[in-house]
Amino acid sequence: DAGVIQSPRHEVTEMGQEVTLRCKPISGHNSLFWYRQTMMRGLELLIYFNNNVPIDDSGMPEDRFSAKMPNASFSTLKIQPSEPRDSAVYFCASSYGTSGGVDIQYFGAGTRLSVL
Amino acid sequence: AQSVAQPEDQVNVAEGNPLTVKCTYSVSGNPYLFWYVQYPNRGLQFLLKYITGDNLVKGSYGFEAEFNKSQTSFHLKKPSALVSDSALYFCAVRNNFNKFYFGSGTKLNVKP
Repeated sequence: DAGVIQSPRHEVTEMGQEVTLRCKPISGHNSLFWYRQTMMRGLELLIYFNNNVPIDDSGMPEDRFSAKMPNASFSTLKIQPSEPRDSAVYFCASSYGTSGGVDIQYFGAGTRLSVL
Repeated sequence: AQSVAQPEDQVNVAEGNPLTVKCTYSVSGNPYLFWYVQYPNRGLQFLLKYITGDNLVKGSYGFEAEFNKSQTSFHLKKPSALVSDSALYFCAVRNNFNKFYFGSGTKLNVKP
């Protein structure tokens, strides 16, 4: 398996523009996570899906952020409108969860977002 | 409040010397504990985990970690550091509700 695939790797946009980040989880994994990493705030969990259903979105900063998982092999994180403070590295991770819970998370390489 | 603490922003060690990266946690129930490593411009990679059983867990690249329930700690260790171990290390804990908490990260510098 190629691992978790994120696109694009880098995104530069202007304030006010819509940004869409994409993630393809590892085949067979049923849990998907979106994280944001900044120097100031470290690694923050934004949202967690299980079997394509959002389970915990308490980390989504505000209504400008939205995430979808239309099927088991694809997820998007959208920011509309984008602001300079959204500049960060966004990671997607997937995992296989059982009745015992979610286990090891496998991270993608991340998308570095710069909002000018 | 549930949290993970990595008290050291940076750890410096000479190659060949033992290393320890500290982690303490506060979470309800029985925690699942993890260590991840992040190299520059890369995503986090799993190193090792503790769920139950032996308190000393062995993982990738010669790393190990010791779970101490009374001290609520899960320190990462390696007997002999390599320059290639230089990276950012994250401790993480999962509670009974599948909520993950990551520490702030510790930068490990191994000098030749």
